[in-house]
Amino acid sequence: SQQGEEDPQALSIQEGENATMNCSYKTSINNLQWYRQNSGRGLVHLILIRSNEREKHSGRLRVTLDTSKKSSSLLITASRAADTASYFCATDASGNTPLVFGKGTRLSVIA
Amino acid sequence: NAGVTQTPKFRVLKTGQSMTLLCAQDMNHEYMYWYRQDPGMGLRLIHYSVGEGTTAKGEVPDGYNVSRLKKQNFLLGLESAAPSQTSVYFCASSYVGEQYFGPGTRLTVT
Repeated sequence: SQQGEEDPQALSIQEGENATMNCSYKTSINNLQWYRQNSGRGLVHLILIRSNEREKHSGRLRVTLDTSKKSSSLLITASRAADTASYFCATDASGNTPLVFGKGTRLSVIA
Repeated sequence: NAGVTQTPKFRVLKTGQSMTLLCAQDMNHEYMYWYRQDPGMGLRLIHYSVGEGTTAKGEVPDGYNVSRLKKQNFLLGLESAAPSQTSVYFCASSYVGEQYFGPGTRLTVT
């Protein structure tokens, strides 16, 4: 069973627009991570947010976490064609348990 | 640093054949993982290891075996391949938190 569920499954936007992806999970978490996967490649870590954090920024990325709603969102501002990829959230229940990945959101940024 | 490497990149097997996928990391990470990814799916954990000489089952371990004889290597074995094992296999390693992924092995079982 998968812990995280991303929404939407697919998203298509114009270059320069912002992209928002959401992740919902079912049980308490230690931290939540977001990864990007370009077509045919391995996953690349983007950002980690701990359960006691509410918001985190990294460049054009902004992640929020609402533990009361068991949800997180990833915002990519001023999107570029190079942001076209699948984005996955992953959670772990504690520091000793493996990550559980969602099914991902496919983002297409049209130039 | 090469990071995480996987061998081979592609493989076609006939049903019933066996093979071993090799994962190597040069970051001195304690934790290593094997995932499979199927179309439209996220990653599902097959087996993982929390240190040299240790292994543990993940979400979908049936039909696979693993070994971690050296800290830098994590091997995934298929003893008798089945068409249901057609997938892309990813290896990853971590110290704590962030995982580093290999480029994947695309396996087709006919």
